[in-house]
Amino acid sequence: KAGVTQTPRYLIKTRGQQVTLSCSPISGHRSVSWYQQTPGQGLQFLFEYFSETQRNKGNFPGRFSGRQFSNSRSEMNVSTLELGDSALYLCASSLLARANEQFFGPGTRLTVL
Amino acid sequence: GESVGLHLPTLSVQEGDNSIINCAYSNSASDYFIWYKQESGKGPQFIIDIRSNMDKRQGQRVTVLLNKTVKHLSLQIAATQPGDSAVYFCAEKDGHQGAQKLVFGQGTRLTINP
Repeated sequence: KAGVTQTPRYLIKTRGQQVTLSCSPISGHRSVSWYQQTPGQGLQFLFEYFSETQRNKGNFPGRFSGRQFSNSRSEMNVSTLELGDSALYLCASSLLARANEQFFGPGTRLTVL
Repeated sequence: GESVGLHLPTLSVQEGDNSIINCAYSNSASDYFIWYKQESGKGPQFIIDIRSNMDKRQGQRVTVLLNKTVKHLSLQIAATQPGDSAVYFCAEKDGHQGAQKLVFGQGTRLTINP
């Protein structure tokens, strides 16, 4: 079974631009979560989607948004990029009944210049 | 997927010894506590979880202990191997209202000495 895939793996943007990251969950997994990982703040929850609905949201500004499609694939968008948005963005998928066992992708490394 | 932490606690053990990684949590309402492992260049990987009404759970070479009195969680790894080198995160899950949100700790870097 293929794992969680994320594209692109690396991205360089400049301040003020926007970016869209993509995540394909493991087949059969309908819950998709996004996390931001930085050296200073560690792993922080962004949001979680299930059946195309955002069910949970972390403490991030409205510049961070996401969506989920009917095939469970998910995208997250960051608008008006700031230097502090430089981070590793991780996507994780899980079965609804096994929410503790989230399967993470390798992440997208975003650098904002 | 490296988890570079400038202030990451570290633990260094000899190969073959047992490792104990500790974690303090804050939310008494968490219904599950979970351990993840993150190897360099990869996303975190689930190791084991424990429900809040339990105090011990064993897996393959790993044991998780939960002390709710002092809000403390530990992961014990038996007979540590080179492949155990990674950053280990504890996480809490609040099960209220169907929440799937995991709150991760800062992580501990485990280094295995040959």
